[in-house]
Amino acid sequence: AQSVTQLDSHVSVSEGTPVLLRCNYSSSYSPSLFWYVQHPNKGLQLLLKYTSAATLVKGINGFEAEFKKSETSFHLTKPSAHMSDAAEYFCVVSVLSNSGYALNFGKGTSLLVTP
Amino acid sequence: GAGVSQSPRYKVAKRGQDVALRCDPISGHVSLFWYQQALGQGPEFLTYFQNEAQLDKSGLPSDRFFAERPEGSVSTLKIQRTQQEDSAVYLCASSLRTGDYNEQFFGPGTRLTVL
Repeated sequence: AQSVTQLDSHVSVSEGTPVLLRCNYSSSYSPSLFWYVQHPNKGLQLLLKYTSAATLVKGINGFEAEFKKSETSFHLTKPSAHMSDAAEYFCVVSVLSNSGYALNFGKGTSLLVTP
Repeated sequence: GAGVSQSPRYKVAKRGQDVALRCDPISGHVSLFWYQQALGQGPEFLTYFQNEAQLDKSGLPSDRFFAERPEGSVSTLKIQRTQQEDSAVYLCASSLRTGDYNEQFFGPGTRLTVL
């Protein structure tokens, strides 16, 4: 079964420093992987997705993630954190269910950005 | 353009009451998903529609939950005889087509509190 594990439930960084949110996946075949962000009282928003076209994926707001098959990882990074990046981040794998694809979410990482 | 909308945004129910949660997907989107997000957790898959057909309902937690999408657009998630463990945010998502790489667009969710 396809699943993801987010290694940190909380991450705190200072504004202007790099962000690293860690995610490992488990899949019996080449997975489709996503990162979503959830700001308070707002809907989930797609940051980026990996669909085997390129291992380094660039997303919105300066985020990127690298798919590493040898490490079964899909970590999310950003060179310089901004206060507006404070939110909940979810690593997600697409799962083939009975008749289609659904998303299997990690438990989330809460990113805190301090001034 | 309009995104996915959900109503009501907040619902308080007494234990044993029935509730109905509405989702208006993006116009023209074939696929519609319902997820349940408990406090501090990632969303969990409930059910999936392709047009008006409910192709997967394996995630519905009990027979008190059912969903419909009679005309292939608006969907309603109904919970009968609500219990306290039903308290959660219910998220609706839609995507243009089926497939593991298709982005799902999420609504803001309905926060259900069962007293």
